[in-house]
Amino acid sequence: GAVVSQHPSRVICKSGTSVKIECRSLDFQATTMFWYRQFPKQSLMLMATSNEGSKATYEQGVEKDKFLINHASLTLSTLTVTSAHPEDSSFYICSARDRGEVAQQYFGPGTRLTVT
Amino acid sequence: GEDVEQSLFLSVREGDSSVINCTYTDSSSTYLYWYKQEPGAGLQLLTYIFSNMDMKQDQRLTVLLNKKDKHLSLRIADTQTGDSAIYFCAENRGGGFKTIFGAGTRLFVKA
Repeated sequence: GAVVSQHPSRVICKSGTSVKIECRSLDFQATTMFWYRQFPKQSLMLMATSNEGSKATYEQGVEKDKFLINHASLTLSTLTVTSAHPEDSSFYICSARDRGEVAQQYFGPGTRLTVT
Repeated sequence: GEDVEQSLFLSVREGDSSVINCTYTDSSSTYLYWYKQEPGAGLQLLTYIFSNMDMKQDQRLTVLLNKKDKHLSLRIADTQTGDSAIYFCAENRGGGFKTIFGAGTRLFVKA
């Protein structure tokens, strides 16, 4: 089956620094990737949708200058949390849609970000 | 409203059936999903149903869809302790470009 990886799985950073999270589709081409944020014991909140080669579409309330998304190739999207603050600590999950499929998104294992 | 709604908690005994219910909002949603999330892990797609179907069965899983009431359910037969997890209901909106999740139902299976 289709596999999506994320790196790193866990990261701890200091306030004010930036951290980059990578999302890769390993065995398929992902024209669309999605970034979600999940707070403890809560649902997934869609942050943005990124299409290869174009700017990401951010959901209402998500700061595009703070959460920079780049989808430079059909297999890689990155999320950079800039000037991180403790309230940015969360579980970030990406998903990818195979260009040949409409029904399914394939989810990465998630990245636990802790900002101290 | 905008939300996909689910009950937050369900406890069953091992060997019993579990039924997790969900109501969604967008009658034009084409696909409805059930995902499973174990602690500290990402989401695993369990099953999905196309909106023109009423039922889908896959081994121990049965999905029922009532499109008129926008109600989706997941039945797990012979529930095992390994089924303990959070189960998310989700709908595809906007022509398939957005997947909106419910808050998740935490299933506890007692031995």
